[in-house]
Amino acid sequence: GAGVSQSPSNKVTEKGKDVELRCDPISGHTALYWYRQSLGQGLEFLIYFQGNSAPDKSGLPSDRFSAERTGGSVSTLTIQRTQQEDSAVYLCASSLLGISYEQYFGPGTRLTVT
Amino acid sequence: RKEVEQDPGPFNVPEGATVAFNCTYSNSASQSFFWYRQDCRKEPKLLMSVYSSGNEDGRFTAQLNRASQYISLLIRDSKLSDSATYLCVVFSGNTPLVFGKGTRLSVIA
Repeated sequence: GAGVSQSPSNKVTEKGKDVELRCDPISGHTALYWYRQSLGQGLEFLIYFQGNSAPDKSGLPSDRFSAERTGGSVSTLTIQRTQQEDSAVYLCASSLLGISYEQYFGPGTRLTVT
Repeated sequence: RKEVEQDPGPFNVPEGATVAFNCTYSNSASQSFFWYRQDCRKEPKLLMSVYSSGNEDGRFTAQLNRASQYISLLIRDSKLSDSATYLCVVFSGNTPLVFGKGTRLSVIA
């Protein structure tokens, strides 16, 4: 079946611009996660959605970052007024149930801020 | 002490060798443990969960030592296709999964 998809696969933007990254989780998965991975670094948790519960936003690095999940499915991560340090691969994952279950990752969006 | 620590490597081993990675975690209340594999410029994929009694999947064996707070991954009869970064992942209950930075393995012909 279809896996997690993300778009765009690559995004180059100028410093100060806003960007939107999209994630389509696996159908039926109730949990959705956003991570970012900088070159040579581990995965940094950003935000977690579980069903209709309030999202866990504890990993968002600043108020320039926000995310939505509409209808319990598609999610959008928005970065406002991008900075060069925002350059990274942004990975989305989904899992069937809660946070302790196997996470399936999308291919990521490579964001470059110039 | 970092929540999850791994030796970054790289581990360069010949084909057919046995190689082992350790991962230490700081939260004694951690509940679930996983090994993920990440190929270069690809997304992570679950390799195996780690159970208290230890578990094996083909050439791969995972062990958990709660007393010393570490998990290990043993790869026997290494293949070229095992070359990847191996991520240790820990779940401590009601908190996001914590990923280690990974250990890079290169299997050489």
